[in-house]
Amino acid sequence: GAVVSQHPSWVICKSGTSVKIECRSLDFQATTMFWYRQFPKQSLMLMATSNEGSKATYEQGVEKDKFLINHASLTLSTLTVTSAHPEDSSFYICSASNRDSYGYTFGSGTRLTVV
Amino acid sequence: GENVEQHPSTLSVQEGDSAVIKCTYSDSASNYFPWYKQELGKRPQLIIDIRSNVGEKKDQRIAVTLNKTAKHFSLHITETQPEDSAVYFCAAISYNQGGKLIFGQGTELSVKP
Repeated sequence: GAVVSQHPSWVICKSGTSVKIECRSLDFQATTMFWYRQFPKQSLMLMATSNEGSKATYEQGVEKDKFLINHASLTLSTLTVTSAHPEDSSFYICSASNRDSYGYTFGSGTRLTVV
Repeated sequence: GENVEQHPSTLSVQEGDSAVIKCTYSDSASNYFPWYKQELGKRPQLIIDIRSNVGEKKDQRIAVTLNKTAKHFSLHITETQPEDSAVYFCAAISYNQGGKLIFGQGTELSVKP
């Protein structure tokens, strides 16, 4: 079945630094990648949608200059949290879809802790 | 945009009993409704889904029903087992609006032995 590899699985960084999270579709072409954030005991909140080769579309309230998304190829999308602060600590997870089929494949998630 | 409401937020049942989780959605253009099970710190796992041209779907102990007119859908788990304990999320998507998958708030299911 479809597999999305997400790295790193966890990361601890200092306030003010940047962190990059990668999602790779291993056996299919991810035409669209969705990035979610999940705080403890809460739902998955959609942050942004990116289509290969296009600029990402951000949900209301999500700072596009803080959460940089790149989807340069059909198999790789990255989320960079810039100038991270403790309130950015969360579980970030990507989900890839292929225009030719229903269904979404989730990455394994990244636990970000900003200290 | 789409808005998905899910109830209850927590549900506790005895092993062997049934569990029902209900969701409503707002966008009549939504046409795909998956259900996910998420264990702590893990990715959501698809357990069952239903498309808007179907009213009910069953897979062993799990079933989902969809009422397009009322814009609500439900997850039914029969003969619950302790390993069913997890957080369950409903979701809705409209492929006509960019394919965004929008989640409900989640239900924490606890199955007591």
